[in-house]
Amino acid sequence: DAGVIQSPRHEVTEMGQEVTLRCKPISGHDYLFWYRQTMMRGLELLIYFNNNVPIDDSGMPEDRFSAKMPNASFSTLKIQPSEPRDSAVYFCASSLEQGHGYTFGSGTRLTVV
Amino acid sequence: AQTVTQSQPEMSVQEAETVTLSCTYDTSESDYYLFWYKQPPSRQMILVIRQEAYKQQNATENRFSVNFQKAAKSFSLKISDSQLGDAAMYFCAYAVLDAGNMLTFGGGTRLMVKP
Repeated sequence: DAGVIQSPRHEVTEMGQEVTLRCKPISGHDYLFWYRQTMMRGLELLIYFNNNVPIDDSGMPEDRFSAKMPNASFSTLKIQPSEPRDSAVYFCASSLEQGHGYTFGSGTRLTVV
Repeated sequence: AQTVTQSQPEMSVQEAETVTLSCTYDTSESDYYLFWYKQPPSRQMILVIRQEAYKQQNATENRFSVNFQKAAKSFSLKISDSQLGDAAMYFCAYAVLDAGNMLTFGGGTRLMVKP
């Protein structure tokens, strides 16, 4: 199993540009999560899906952020337009069922200049 | 609000010695799971150990063990025979069974291992 696959690993973009982060969860995992990690705020849950359906997006900071999961093997997190304060490491994680620990991807380090 | 507190921002241990990282949490739920994750400089989040709240027996995984005190809402991680590769950020987290499967993380403890 290749684990949770995220791309790109690094992204540098200019303020105002659209950014799309991608995630392929582990096959068979029912849950998919997007987290953001910063020094100031630690690890924050942005949104999670169960069986491709968004369940809780209360952590999405504002309307500039959107996430989709068109099928069980792919999810995207989009920021449009991007701002310097969006600079962070964005993690995708998947889980088989409730109570099981997540398997994390290697993260995308986003830098908005 | 449900919170996880790691009161030690940094810890240091001598190679081959034992170290304990502290974690407390606040929840009114009875069914939940507790986790310790390790994040080395590579930034990969690695599951170290998992504990079901309904189990009284403390979980162990090789050199890693926990001291779970449910009444005190405490969940500490003990690392025995510390190795240089144990140097990392360690995050405590929990998930409430009937509230989705969301992990709530503590702020982390940076562990340094001295040779």
